[in-house]
Amino acid sequence: GNSVTQMEGPVTLSEEAFLTINCTYTATGYPSLFWYVQYPGEGLQLLLKATKADDKGSNKGFEATYRKETTSFHLEKGSVQVSDSAVYFCALGNFGNEKLTFGTGTRLTIIP
Amino acid sequence: GAVVSQHPSRVICKSGTSVKIECRSLDFQATTMFWYRQFPKKSLMLMATSNEGSKATYEQGVEKDKFLINHASLTLSTLTVTSAHPEDSSFYICSALIGTQYFGPGTRLLVL
Repeated sequence: GNSVTQMEGPVTLSEEAFLTINCTYTATGYPSLFWYVQYPGEGLQLLLKATKADDKGSNKGFEATYRKETTSFHLEKGSVQVSDSAVYFCALGNFGNEKLTFGTGTRLTIIP
Repeated sequence: GAVVSQHPSRVICKSGTSVKIECRSLDFQATTMFWYRQFPKKSLMLMATSNEGSKATYEQGVEKDKFLINHASLTLSTLTVTSAHPEDSSFYICSALIGTQYFGPGTRLLVL
C-alpha cells in the first residue's frame, strides 16, 4: 500500500536559516506528490505539488523536486521567516487524487 | 485555488447531543468531498468520502451510524456527529476534490 515517511519534528531554526524537511514515499503506480502547510488553528493549505518525476513544485520560496529514483520529495527553502512557523505535511495521491496519504507532519518553529 | 469553508469553526456540546458540521465549496462545484479527523499533533485520518447524490464511503473502523454524511448538492456536504461523547472531541477537516483536494479551515469539536 501507499505510505509517506516524513522527518519527525519538531524543527527549530533561526530566521534566514536554510530549511530541509525530508519526505520519502512508497506507492504503486505514478502518484502525485504534495506539501501542505497548517498554520495554528487552521486547516491545511496546499503549498506546492508535483505530478510526475523530475517536476519541481514551488511556492512562496519553498521548493520540492519529485525524485522517482530515490522516492523522495524533500521540501526546501533558502531563507526561512518567522511567518513560516507551521506544521508541514507531505502527501501523495494516486490517479484522480481521490485519496491522499499523509505523512505525520513536521512542526517547524522559526526563531527571530 | 478553490475556497472551501466550514461552519461552525468551533463548537462545544454536551455529551449525548448531535452536532452538524457544514462544508461548502464556495466557487467550484465538487462531486466529491472528504472528511478527515485530526488528533492533537497527529496526521489526518480519512473518515469518509462524500459523493454528491449517493451514499458516503466510509473508511474501515469509522462508524457510519455515528458519523452521518450527507452530500445533497455539488457545493455542500454535512457531517453529523450523533450522540456525541467526549472521545469524539477532535478537529474535523473537510476537503473538496477539484482536480486537487482543497481543504476547509477545520471545525474544532469539544464534547463535555
